[in-house]
Amino acid sequence: GNSVTQMEGPVTLSEEAFLTINCTYTATGYPSLFWYVQYPGEGLQLLLKATKADDKGSNKGFEATYRKETTSFHLEKGSVQVSDSAVYFCALSVGSYIPTFGRGTSLIVHP
Amino acid sequence: EAQVTQNPRYLITVTGKKLTVTCSQNMNHEYMSWYRQDPGLGLRQIYYSMNVEVTDKGDVPEGYKVSRKEKRNFPLILESPSPNQTSLYFCASGRGPLTDTQYFGPGTRLTVL
Repeated sequence: GNSVTQMEGPVTLSEEAFLTINCTYTATGYPSLFWYVQYPGEGLQLLLKATKADDKGSNKGFEATYRKETTSFHLEKGSVQVSDSAVYFCALSVGSYIPTFGRGTSLIVHP
Repeated sequence: EAQVTQNPRYLITVTGKKLTVTCSQNMNHEYMSWYRQDPGLGLRQIYYSMNVEVTDKGDVPEGYKVSRKEKRNFPLILESPSPNQTSLYFCASGRGPLTDTQYFGPGTRLTVL
């Protein structure tokens, strides 16, 4: 079956630090990959996505590159802000209507 | 404003008392789905619907029912809630499944005593 593995949180950083949240996956077929963000008390929002190998998704300073050879889709940001504090979910969808989400990684950014 | 609304936002109930959580979207989306979010488990899909009168099971459908009589509404029904259904529930809609952007509702926190 399909699965998504994210690094355990919480990730705690100071403002302007570099962020990496690791995500690896296993999937049958060729998945599309996503990062969603959940701010406190809200539903999930799509942050970025990539639909084929070597694609780079980017949004709001966040980036992730679809690496088929390492089955990874790590989320990065060069300089985090306090407002980036949230829970981040990696997810995949591979030709079915049932997506697979990771367990989520909490990010806490201190001023 | 494009949005997905859920009601109620918070609900405390007792075992066995039937309840319905409503979900409505104003974006004319064909695809709608329900998820539950539990600590350490991430999001798991309960049911999804590709269009009116078309629904199908997700990963964890046991103990839940859904209906899709109208395009905009997709209620989640718990006929006989149990404590293991205590969770945070999200409704989502999109033009298609996850490969199309999904719009999530604000969530319903359900506690079953």
